[in-house]
Amino acid sequence: AQKITQTQPGMFVQEKEAVTLDCTYDTSDQSYGLFWYKQPSSGEMIFLIYQGSYDEQNATEGRYSLNFQKARKSANLVISASQLGDSAMYFCAMREVEDTGTASKLTFGTGTRLQVTL
Amino acid sequence: DTEVTQTPKHLVMGMTNKKSLKCEQHMGHRAMYWYKQKAKKPPELMFVYSYEKLSINESVPSRFSPECPNSSLLNLHLHALQPEDSALYLCASSQERALYEQYFGPGTRLTVT
Repeated sequence: AQKITQTQPGMFVQEKEAVTLDCTYDTSDQSYGLFWYKQPSSGEMIFLIYQGSYDEQNATEGRYSLNFQKARKSANLVISASQLGDSAMYFCAMREVEDTGTASKLTFGTGTRLQVTL
Repeated sequence: DTEVTQTPKHLVMGMTNKKSLKCEQHMGHRAMYWYKQKAKKPPELMFVYSYEKLSINESVPSRFSPECPNSSLLNLHLHALQPEDSALYLCASSQERALYEQYFGPGTRLTVT
């Protein structure tokens, strides 16, 4: 069974600073995918970034980058130049592919609540 | 367009009521999902539809009944719910290949009285 661990229930960061949100995972699969989602208080889950297990380069999307360390089984999210609008809950998730390969299950971590301050 | 829409946004229902949640996407995705999220917890998968067929049922009680009338629509029929079923219900969709990310709708906040 797959497992995702986020050890930081809450984080504070000052506006314009960078912040790292931790995520470790456990799986016996060779092929897997790791995702980060942002959930503002409105409730919608917003996809941020994806890293495949065979990707050699760390994923980047604008101000978001994923620090993927396969041997350590970690997939930390780095947000650069934090903005007030970044205040939200952040979930790390791992993809598990169902048998027919046409749909996937996401297993989520418990989340980290990020608060950006002035 | 990466939009998944859900209606209604809020729903209050009694334990004897029957209601339905609706989800719609027009991205050509062939997999659709229902998640349940309690306050301050991560989303938990309930059902997965793949090519309009139920692919995964995570041992959800029968008072929740999913339906996928076509590739763009996903419904969740609710009957005889309990107060502990109060939660945010999220719908998501993804491309047919399982490699891709899931796109979520804004959710329906359900309160069972």
